[in-house]
Amino acid sequence: DVQLVESGGGVVQPGGSLRLSCEISGFTFEDFGMHWVRQRPGKGLEWVSQISWDGGSTSYAESVKGRFTISRDNSRNSLFLQMDSLRREDTALYYCAKYAGDTNGYDAWGQGTPVTVSS
Amino acid sequence: QSMLTQPPSASGTPGQKISISCSGGDSNIGDNYVYWYQHLPGGAPKRLIYRHNQRPSGVPDRFSASTSGTSSSLTISGLRSEDEADYYCAAWDDRIGGVLFGGGTRLTVL
Repeated sequence: DVQLVESGGGVVQPGGSLRLSCEISGFTFEDFGMHWVRQRPGKGLEWVSQISWDGGSTSYAESVKGRFTISRDNSRNSLFLQMDSLRREDTALYYCAKYAGDTNGYDAWGQGTPVTVSS
Repeated sequence: QSMLTQPPSASGTPGQKISISCSGGDSNIGDNYVYWYQHLPGGAPKRLIYRHNQRPSGVPDRFSASTSGTSSSLTISGLRSEDEADYYCAAWDDRIGGVLFGGGTRLTVL
């Protein structure tokens, strides 16, 4: 079974940092690009960042560019999101998602890890 | 364009057929495949449609979609109470280099 398990969420003060992790199993991790998607309270899904299968290509939503860094460790089947200079508006449930290519979209998601930015 | 355009809500009675629209532009729906996701409260989103109108195995054929130009539409036939959820369209956007989601449509089964 394909599994994506996020961790690392929590409560942090504005300006602080958090590092999210996503451990995967059930598929060949290094064959697929991976994304982070978030849902702010009461809002819809919002794409945050993506990384190519080998980590050689990344991109970010304008709202997080320069503050968040996506990375992956294919030897550990793990995806990461380093979040710095956090703002209250970054409060959200963060999902990691397996991107099965442009024709297939996201075909697997984790359950999400909550991030609360509050003083 | 910060998101694809969907109606915020839709409703229907059991057995009815409803459609949810999704409008975008040349850099997303007009040039890339559309996906549709179902999101139940407290759960992970689930892929309903990929490649404009294809259903993954396990998704009932009550769910269908069509795309033309820069718009797409999800249709649910034979509405059931368990279809009550949030529905999102999405497509790769060439300008942002990432996936653009619709704002989501909350479906209520009356």
